[in-house]
Amino acid sequence: QSVLAQPPSASGTPGQRVTISCSGSSSNMGSNNVNWYQQLPGTAPKLLIYSNNQRPSGVPGRFSGSKSGTSASLAISGLQSEDEADYYCAARDDSLNGWVFGGGTKLTVL
Amino acid sequence: EVQLVESGGDLVQPGGSLRVSCAASGFTFSSYSMTWVRQAPGKGLEWVANINQDGRDKYYVDSVEGRFTISRDNADNSLYLQMDSLRAEDTAVYYCARERRTWGDYYYFYYMDVWGKGTTVTVSS
Repeated sequence: QSVLAQPPSASGTPGQRVTISCSGSSSNMGSNNVNWYQQLPGTAPKLLIYSNNQRPSGVPGRFSGSKSGTSASLAISGLQSEDEADYYCAARDDSLNGWVFGGGTKLTVL
Repeated sequence: EVQLVESGGDLVQPGGSLRVSCAASGFTFSSYSMTWVRQAPGKGLEWVANINQDGRDKYYVDSVEGRFTISRDNADNSLYLQMDSLRAEDTAVYYCARERRTWGDYYYFYYMDVWGKGTTVTVSS
């Protein structure tokens, strides 16, 4: 069972907007920023959103993140077929001096 | 180009040992904390261990504490994970990742920005 809670699946049609939620606790998301990773099938995770709402260079503006308290969400607008992937939220946990992840959300583009 | 390349994954018997490595290039390795993250077949991501820039501070997830040892060689730009007393549940792809820390408005932001492609460790008889 993962420390951060995410829905196991999400879906949408091309062009639609979808959101994925992530919730944690005071020792992780309550006191640290949230990051989001995209993992395409058979590949390594890729940083998608860092510091709650920042996009690394090269990540399309269709991806956005937000955080409030111990909850966060990833939004994908203008959904495209290539967005079909697993998405993970992650945060540093002060009680571990390490990292905790959500269980991952499998996004299907219908 | 900033790059991390893992190696050393193998098939090992339960109770056995294995050392996996991560070669860093394209950045000043000694300036960054580093992390190992694993992913069991069909499962999600799990943080395993991390180490600070000079190698003095090391932290582990409870399930590997006392069995795994993280280390680094800054002269060789390499990160290691020594895995002893391996169990079937340690079977996974092991990724190394670079940790970043930047100052925000009120506190530090932490994230892992560069990941390797992973190396596969299989524990089975």
